[in-house]
Amino acid sequence: AQSVSQHNHHVILSEAASLELGCNYSYGGTVNLFWYVQYPGQHLQLLLKYFSGDPLVKGIKGFEAEFIKSKFSFNLRKPSVQWSDTAEYFCAVNARGNNRLAFGKGNQVVVIP
Amino acid sequence: EAQVTQNPRYLITVTGKKLTVTCSQNMNHEYMSWYRQDPGLGLRQIYYSMNVEVTDKGDVPEGYKVSRKEKRNFPLILESPSPNQTSLYFCASSLIVSGIYNEQFFGPGTRLTVL
Repeated sequence: AQSVSQHNHHVILSEAASLELGCNYSYGGTVNLFWYVQYPGQHLQLLLKYFSGDPLVKGIKGFEAEFIKSKFSFNLRKPSVQWSDTAEYFCAVNARGNNRLAFGKGNQVVVIP
Repeated sequence: EAQVTQNPRYLITVTGKKLTVTCSQNMNHEYMSWYRQDPGLGLRQIYYSMNVEVTDKGDVPEGYKVSRKEKRNFPLILESPSPNQTSLYFCASSLIVSGIYNEQFFGPGTRLTVL
């Protein structure tokens, strides 16, 4: 069964700092990869996704993620965060041929003005 | 507007009193799913449905039932709720294109408290 690991569950940083959130998954086959964001009091929204092609994907609001197949990783990055990036971030993985989407436990990110 | 709706948004109930949380999507998506979100545990899948009359268990199905009689609706049923089912519940839907799951669209959530 596929599983997803996210580390550093709580991250606190100042505005303009860079952000990197790690995501590792345990599945040896082809995967679809997603990062979702949940702003306080809101539902989950898609930040970006990777199905195939260029392993560096760009999403909304200046976020990007890099798929490194050899490391089973799909880390999320943003060069300069804003206060409005305060949210919880979830990595999710769908293994091709599997009907389920597995989520990591999330990263709670707080950006201090 | 393309959306997933859930009702009710907030519910406080007592142990053993049957309840249903409705979910509806207007995007003609084949795939629908229910998740529960608990602090420190992320989202865990309860049940999912590939299409009408096709449902299957997720990671935490115990104590829940679902049905998919119409493509747009996917209600979650708690026959005899217990306090450990107090949680935030999300319904989601997505397209399946050539066997590949596209992004899931989430509803606004239902916060359930079982006393």
